[in-house]
Amino acid sequence: AQSVTQLDSQVPVFEEAPVELRCNYSSSVSVYLFWYVQYPNQGLQLLLKYLSGSTLVKGINGFEAEFNKSQTSFHLRKPSVHISDTAEYFCAVGGGADGLTFGKGTHLIIQP
Amino acid sequence: DAGVIQSPRHEVTEMGQEVTLRCKPISGHDYLFWYRQTMMRGLELLIYFNNNVPIDDSGMPEDRFSAKMPNASFSTLKIQPSEPRDSAVYFCAADSGANVLTFGAGSRLTVL
Repeated sequence: AQSVTQLDSQVPVFEEAPVELRCNYSSSVSVYLFWYVQYPNQGLQLLLKYLSGSTLVKGINGFEAEFNKSQTSFHLRKPSVHISDTAEYFCAVGGGADGLTFGKGTHLIIQP
Repeated sequence: DAGVIQSPRHEVTEMGQEVTLRCKPISGHDYLFWYRQTMMRGLELLIYFNNNVPIDDSGMPEDRFSAKMPNASFSTLKIQPSEPRDSAVYFCAADSGANVLTFGAGSRLTVL
């Protein structure tokens, strides 16, 4: 069984400030971790993924995430956010071909 | 590549009516997933197929829901009869086996 907890349902942050979106997971199998972004009225788009190798993963739009096995976390970070980053962000865990288990999502709100 | 194509984008129907949602996956992506998204429950995996064969339908809420994949380029999700609590956004997603899901834009269903 696998599960994902996104601790914050929404995160307000000022434009050009740094942001961290938190994600904790549990999984009984090999861990693949993902962050997806959903803009209004659209489907989910892959931001980044961790399958193996370096624990620091860089994705699109300046986002990065760090896999921490001891803390079972995969937090998403961006050093300076832009108004266009306003969206819903989903952390997901998966192993093999069983699909992904998603967190409830974090709404990132960028304030001017 | 046009990506994952879903239709209709929006559907409004009355309780008791049959609803059919359609999905055209990406060519060569052997895994197809149906997800449901609601505010209360987030993203839920309903069913997934591998090479047109249903592998896990444990997420299908009840017998009113059924899904088929008659060939590699087409899948349907049917609800009969529909109920107001079925109102949600239904997503189709495809995976080539690389553990990366590509989502369609979704079908927003409203059951009155």
